[in-house]
Amino acid sequence: GDSVTQMEGPVTLSEEAFLTINCTYTATGYPSLFWYVQYPGEGLQLLLKATKADDKGSNKGFEATYRKETTSFHLEKGSVQVSDSAVYFCALSDDYRDDKIIFGKGTRLHILP
Amino acid sequence: NAGVTQTPKFQVLKTGQSMTLQCAQDMNHEYMSWYRQDPGMGLRLIHYSVGAGITDQGEVPNGYNVSRSTTEDFPLRLLSAAPSQTSVYFCASSGGQGGSNYGYTFGSGTRLTVV
Repeated sequence: GDSVTQMEGPVTLSEEAFLTINCTYTATGYPSLFWYVQYPGEGLQLLLKATKADDKGSNKGFEATYRKETTSFHLEKGSVQVSDSAVYFCALSDDYRDDKIIFGKGTRLHILP
Repeated sequence: NAGVTQTPKFQVLKTGQSMTLQCAQDMNHEYMSWYRQDPGMGLRLIHYSVGAGITDQGEVPNGYNVSRSTTEDFPLRLLSAAPSQTSVYFCASSGGQGGSNYGYTFGSGTRLTVV
């Protein structure tokens, strides 16, 4: 079945460092890919998405490119801030069964001032 | 403010008690779902609905019931609470029929402890 694998955390970085959180997926069809963010004590929020191969999603300085050849959707940011500390979830929806989204287990990010 | 509203935010139950977690959205979304979030497990789908009168099971449905009598509301019922149901529960909705490609809007969660 479809699945999402993302790097285990926690990831700890200093402010202004470069961030990469790896995400790979397995899907039978042509899924849409998402990154969600969860701040402490809150629900998940959609951060960015890409719906087809080679699409780049971007928001709040974060970017991720849909790579079909490597089945990946890695999240990147050039200069992180303390306020980026959160849990990040990679997710996919299968176009054959687009009634639900499959989430990865999440990666906790700590940014030190 | 438009969005997904969950109540209560916190709840402690004794083993064997029943309760209903409420979820309401005011965005006229067709798709609604319930997830539970446990440490190291990510989010697991409990039940979902693609419209009023239609519900289906997700990955971990045992011990939970749902109904969808209106577009706005999607309550989750625990029939006989067990310690294994201690978790944080999230309700989510999405626009369009089977609209996962639009992304989900999540509620702020209900933290449930079963003792």
